[in-house]
Amino acid sequence: TQLLEQSPQFLSIQEGENLTVYCNSSSVFSSLQWYRQEPGEGPVLLVTVVTGGEVKKLKRLTFQFGDARKDSSLHITAAQPGDTGLYLCAGEAVYNNNDMRFGAGTRLTVKP
Amino acid sequence: NAGVTQTPKFQVLKTGQSMTLQCAQDMNHEYMSWYRQDPGMGLRLIHYSVGAGITDQGEVPNGYNVSRSTTEDFPLRLLSAAPSQTSVYFCASSRDRDYTSTDTQYFGPGTRLTVL
Repeated sequence: TQLLEQSPQFLSIQEGENLTVYCNSSSVFSSLQWYRQEPGEGPVLLVTVVTGGEVKKLKRLTFQFGDARKDSSLHITAAQPGDTGLYLCAGEAVYNNNDMRFGAGTRLTVKP
Repeated sequence: NAGVTQTPKFQVLKTGQSMTLQCAQDMNHEYMSWYRQDPGMGLRLIHYSVGAGITDQGEVPNGYNVSRSTTEDFPLRLLSAAPSQTSVYFCASSRDRDYTSTDTQYFGPGTRLTVL
């Protein structure tokens, strides 16, 4: 089992729709990061959240860190085809020597 | 700045062969790490280094060796390749290991390795 469970695993939507993807764990994280990865490339960092309850916005993307620092969500407003990609969450589990652990990702396809 | 570079981009090995995956960064980052990415598994940490001369094991270190003789380079060695090591390997670097800062972890483009 993954330390970080991401859902849904796959998501296909039409341009202009809103969506939310989730990253959940039973462990507490000192910080949590969201990455976007395109085929044949390495992940690119979108945001780091540190404080429980924190909300960060990046244009049409809104990231939230759960109050207990065990979960996070990524909400995209008015999705565009350029948002297509694999979205990964990653975090340092407090109990695990703060090694970085990744979720398996949500593969998003936005159709024009 | 070239960022994080990895070579080769693709490699096919036979079981039992050895090889070294190269990783270099030109950002003077202290922290470097190696991950493997498998379908449905996300990225898993193999080894990491917090500075020249210092390395440590991550989540899946077996079958891999690393060394860090310079700040810039962090090669990953497979001494005797096995089919289970077929994967995409990513090298990453950041200023330090403190992810609570606003510092960014930069990833290389990856090496796709197939072991027959």
